Amino acid sequence: KAGVTQTPRYLIKTRGQQVTLSCSPISGHRSVSWYQQTPGQGLQFLFEYFSETQRNKGNFPGRFSGRQFSNSRSEMNVSTLELGDSALYLCASSFSHTAYEQYFGPGTRLTVT
Amino acid sequence: QKEVEQNSGPLSVPEGAIASLNCTYSDRGSQSFFWYRQYSGKSPELIMFIYSNGDKEDGRFTAQLNKASQYVSLLIRDSQPSDSATYLCAVSGGSNYKLTFGKGTLLTVNP
Repeated sequence: KAGVTQTPRYLIKTRGQQVTLSCSPISGHRSVSWYQQTPGQGLQFLFEYFSETQRNKGNFPGRFSGRQFSNSRSEMNVSTLELGDSALYLCASSFSHTAYEQYFGPGTRLTVT
Repeated sequence: QKEVEQNSGPLSVPEGAIASLNCTYSDRGSQSFFWYRQYSGKSPELIMFIYSNGDKEDGRFTAQLNKASQYVSLLIRDSQPSDSATYLCAVSGGSNYKLTFGKGTLLTVNP
């Protein structure tokens, strides 16, 4: 069974720009969660989608948003990029919701200059 | 605010020894507990999950859960240099279902 895929793997953007990241979950998984990982803060939860609905949201500004499509694929968007948004963005999928085992994709490394 | 605490390490053990990694959590209603392994430059990989009090064994790995003490641990028997990585404890359930991670413990297994 194919794992979680994320595109693109690497991205360099300039402050003020916006970016869209994509995640395809494991086949049959309906929940997708997004995380930001930085050396200082560790892994921080952004949001979770299940059946195209946002079920949980972390403590991030409104510049961070996401959505899920009917095929469970998910996208997250960051608008008005700041230098501090440079991080590894990870997507994880699970069968139902985050009480179940989550499996991570390889991540998208975003660098904001 | 759910919190998950881990010793940052580094924890250094000789090859063949038992590595013991510990984690405490603040939300008494937490229901699901996970251990992830993350190699440098890679994404986290799920290696163990436990939902009930007691021990759960899988190969060289044993997860232990004590809900009364709000404590979960991971034992790695016969540690190998390939086990050298950061181990992340994660907790879900209770006040909400979002997964909360500890900052991780860096484990180094010396040949």
